Amino acid sequence: QVQLQESGPGLVKPSETLSLTCTVSGYSISSDYYWSWIRQPPGKGLEWIGTIYHSGSTFYNPSLKSRVTMSVDTPKNQFSLKLRSVTAADTAVYYCARDVSGAYPDNWGQGTLVTVSS
Amino acid sequence: QVVLTQSPSASGSLGASVKLTCTLSSGHSGYGVTWHQLRPEKVPRYVMKVNSDGSHNKGAGIPDRFSGSSSGAERYFTISSLQSEDEGDYYCQTWDTGIQVFGGGTKLTVL
Repeated sequence: QVQLQESGPGLVKPSETLSLTCTVSGYSISSDYYWSWIRQPPGKGLEWIGTIYHSGSTFYNPSLKSRVTMSVDTPKNQFSLKLRSVTAADTAVYYCARDVSGAYPDNWGQGTLVTVSS
Repeated sequence: QVVLTQSPSASGSLGASVKLTCTLSSGHSGYGVTWHQLRPEKVPRYVMKVNSDGSHNKGAGIPDRFSGSSSGAERYFTISSLQSEDEGDYYCQTWDTGIQVFGGGTKLTVL
């Protein structure tokens, strides 16, 4: 059974870069699935950030595209998110997920809260 | 770009049924959607995919009392025999040429 676990700093300063890693267990990241990041600001709904395939192909939310980079580390069975120039509006619970055909998540991580504050 | 609209809240009594609605924006009535369950202190869970013809495919371990259906631009998620553990937030989601979109979510209260 696939399991996903987010990790990274829980506090990031404004204007800096938010960096998170998702470790996948029970399933090879090089399989025929895609891998996504999704976030939920406090009191708000879910927002899709982006999706990556193990080949490196990426799809990003147009509203975040200029600040987002996703990457895959197949030997470590991990994928990562970098979000540049963060502001308080980027404070959210960040989830990683396994994605079916780049269309929808079918397995989620537990999420990690990232707060942007000085 | 496709937009999904959900009612902010819904409620139902223990043992009753409740039907949540997700409406696709104009011109997108042929799209399928997926439903996801978020509960406090629990890992979010993929519930099911509902196709435009009303057929649906549930995720692993999803109980039989959860079902999906469609009518026009509306996609439904029905829970029968409501239980206390069903309380939480439910989001519909869809995709279009690599871009994914979530609805605003419906907060379900079990009375």
